Amino acid sequence: NAGVTQTPKFQVLKTGQSMTLQCAQDMNHNSMYWYRQDPGMGLRLIYYSASEGTTDKGEVPNGYNVSRLNKREFSLRLESAAPSQTSVYFCASSEARAGSSYEQYFGPGTRLTVT
Amino acid sequence: GQSLEQPSEVTAVEGAIVQINCTYQTSGFYGLSWYQQHDGGAPTFLSYNALDGLEETGRFSSFLSRSDSYGYLLLQELQMKDSASYFCAVSVQISSGSARQLTFGSGTQLTVLP
Repeated sequence: NAGVTQTPKFQVLKTGQSMTLQCAQDMNHNSMYWYRQDPGMGLRLIYYSASEGTTDKGEVPNGYNVSRLNKREFSLRLESAAPSQTSVYFCASSEARAGSSYEQYFGPGTRLTVT
Repeated sequence: GQSLEQPSEVTAVEGAIVQINCTYQTSGFYGLSWYQQHDGGAPTFLSYNALDGLEETGRFSSFLSRSDSYGYLLLQELQMKDSASYFCAVSVQISSGSARQLTFGSGTQLTVLP
């Protein structure tokens, strides 16, 4: 099992450019999440998808859109990148079953720089 | 909203015991989780407490007091490889029908010295 995979690993964008970050999991998890992590800080939730076909805003959704393509894949789109979106982006998934620890499994991250 | 507080840095020597505290203010609380993150790596799950008390997993233990909105992570027999950032995270459900979410603290950088 690959777990959670993310592409690309690194990306440099110019202000105003758009891009899509891809995420896939092979653990048959229902829930998937996108976080950003700025230097010296914790992770902040951008969007999440509790199950296939649903998406909801997290703490910092402005400037982003998401698509839950199927149960495996959850993509994050920056329509018009801004320097404030320079960050490390992590995708995560969890089984989210009642009574479980709701443990989240994280991908390796995408390091995005917007100039 | 939710807020969590944990120390920004802790330093200890190999073989020692260290405790990382976490206090939180939140609504819709379900449990407290701990994650470890090495430099340049992804967070990995360490433990989860839904009920009051101590949970032990090898050298690591985690404690929760729901009445005090407080928990801690205890690392025993410290090793150099334990040098990492440790994040507490509250598991919350914002509203009925919504999925549970994790809100993370800012992290505690643990440095283990030889």
